[in-house]
Amino acid sequence: KAGVTQTPRYLIKTRGQQVTLSCSPISGHRSVSWYQQTPGQGLQFLFEYFSETQRNKGNFPGRFSGRQFSNSRSEMNVSTLELGDSALYLCASSSLFRQGNEQFFGPGTRLTVL
Amino acid sequence: DQQVKQNSPSLSVQEGRISILNCDYTNSMFDYFLWYKKYPAEGPTFLISISSIKDKNEDGRFTVFLNKSAKHLSLHIVPSQPGDSAVYFCAARDDSGNTPLVFGKGTRLSVIA
Repeated sequence: KAGVTQTPRYLIKTRGQQVTLSCSPISGHRSVSWYQQTPGQGLQFLFEYFSETQRNKGNFPGRFSGRQFSNSRSEMNVSTLELGDSALYLCASSSLFRQGNEQFFGPGTRLTVL
Repeated sequence: DQQVKQNSPSLSVQEGRISILNCDYTNSMFDYFLWYKKYPAEGPTFLISISSIKDKNEDGRFTVFLNKSAKHLSLHIVPSQPGDSAVYFCAARDDSGNTPLVFGKGTRLSVIA
């Protein structure tokens, strides 16, 4: 079974630009969550989608948005990029029906904002 | 307000010895706890979990202990191997199943040969 895939793996943007990141979950998984990882801050939860609906949202500004498609693939968008948005963005999928709902992570997209 | 805390940013252990990684939480509604391991340039991988109805869960060299009254859990790795060198994240969620995992900031474990 293929794992969670994220594209692109690396991205360099400049301040003020926008960016779209993509995530394909494990086949059969309908829940997709996004996290931002920065040095010293661990994994900060961005949002979670299930069956194309946003179930949870973290404490991030409205510049961060996401969506999920009918095939469970998900995208997140960051508009008006700021230097502080430089981070590793991780996507995780889960089945929601396994005990504990263990999440399976993709390799992440490393975003650098110059 | 950090609900899951890993107070040791780093830990160095000799190969073959025990590694103990600690995690504290503040939310009494948390009832399921997980440990993830992360290598550089890779996403975190699930390691082991424990439900609040247990106080210990073991999987090979990895054991997680939960002390609910102290709101504390720990991950023991015995014996430690150089390949265990990674960042370890503690995560927790409540029993509703509807809230996201809350992660600690991680502990970088270095196992020295």
